[in-house]
Amino acid sequence: ETGVTQTPRHLVMGMTNKKSLKCEQHLGHNAMYWYKQSAKKPLELMFVYSLEERVENNSVPSRFSPECPNSSHLFLHLHTLQPEDSALYLCASSQDTNPHNEQFFGPGTRLTVL
Amino acid sequence: KQEVTQIPAALSVPEGENLVLNCSFTDSAIYNLQWFRQDPGKGLTSLLLIQSSQREQTSGRLNASLDKSSGRSTLYIAASQPGDSATYLCAVSNDYKLSFGAGTTVTVRA
Repeated sequence: ETGVTQTPRHLVMGMTNKKSLKCEQHLGHNAMYWYKQSAKKPLELMFVYSLEERVENNSVPSRFSPECPNSSHLFLHLHTLQPEDSALYLCASSQDTNPHNEQFFGPGTRLTVL
Repeated sequence: KQEVTQIPAALSVPEGENLVLNCSFTDSAIYNLQWFRQDPGKGLTSLLLIQSSQREQTSGRLNASLDKSSGRSTLYIAASQPGDSATYLCAVSNDYKLSFGAGTTVTVRA
């Protein structure tokens, strides 16, 4: 396990449900990221937070709503999702948004939308 | 827009053989390149990070080279073992964003 944890590890939800994914990093980092990994597709960056401020929203639909209450925690709130949103959602952190920094990934949440 | 390609998409080798995994990228203005390992259904484990000013990095049986001007990186895994079976991803950094390849799925046969 890395210094980045994610809960839950698996989630099944209906299209009308509201749920949240949680990410916590224990590395003292100041930047956190959400990525989506769909079947047979490369990882896609969704959101980037630096010092709790959102610095990137990579054209993600509004049914995904991120929240970063402090530099150690990152949430992804989900509502009225579609079956095509089923994917592995990965959280990552880095010291800051300096492009030379290494990103450290959590184990992911496997989301299935019915 | 950065495009990252990994060839081959899948690779099966007998135990003990050396592995060669290729990664190419279209925009050479990168800050670094990372190689990751991903086991089925799991997150990413960082293997090697090569800064743009470096030519290679080594860790144990792993060696990664970077030719930034030609947009290529190669990951070598010496004396492969069944435990090396996984998907290997490369990712390049343009500003703070990582662009990923689709990965090479490796099977090492005992």
